[in-house]
Amino acid sequence: GQQLNQSPQSMFIQEGEDVSMNCTSSSIFNTWLWYKQDPGEGPVLLIALYKAGELTSNGRLTAQFGITRKDSFLNISASIPSDVGIYFCAGQNSNTGNQFYFGTGTSLTVIP
Amino acid sequence: DVKVTQSSRYLVKRTGEKVFLECVQDMDHENMFWYRQDPGLGLRLIYFSYDVKMKEKGDIPEGYSVSREKKERFSLILESASTNQTSMYLCASSSGQGASPLHFGNGTRLTVT
Repeated sequence: GQQLNQSPQSMFIQEGEDVSMNCTSSSIFNTWLWYKQDPGEGPVLLIALYKAGELTSNGRLTAQFGITRKDSFLNISASIPSDVGIYFCAGQNSNTGNQFYFGTGTSLTVIP
Repeated sequence: DVKVTQSSRYLVKRTGEKVFLECVQDMDHENMFWYRQDPGLGLRLIYFSYDVKMKEKGDIPEGYSVSREKKERFSLILESASTNQTSMYLCASSSGQGASPLHFGNGTRLTVT
């Protein structure tokens, strides 16, 4: 199955810094999702995007649906220790099926 | 809030055993999915179901089967567990309405010895 390219693979940042990560695909999607997974837990949905160019925020998190429909971006502003975890992107093209394809994740460590 | 419940958080089984992983969702979702998650490989789709008694193979169905006798319950079966099936298993559900996001359970960490 298709796998999305997610970068960076890992990040180590100081508390208070901003974070950016992105996801790219070789094919177009009409839905992009961003999830966060804490150790030993299942992924939790952060933001859902349904339209090219869409910019959506959830607290300190902002995600964008790229205008090419082949990429998406997640930004976290003013990071705090509880932002630690693995962030996943997922994309779907509902015109070709209901399957979601996932990135390999970005592991975020926040140093207090 | 959608709740997806996986019956076990941790399981340890022996090679050759038949293993059942159970998943229940409480939002009347049509779609249910089983993924496995391995370091460096991300989430890989094993099987999914769009309706009761219906199942479709995902990307890595070999060594697995599924059962969906009721809308709320989707079971993953390892007919004869092997050590390479040691993994984190994640169940998810979604509504059948258009592009609906996946909601995940907390996962089952399976170790096959």
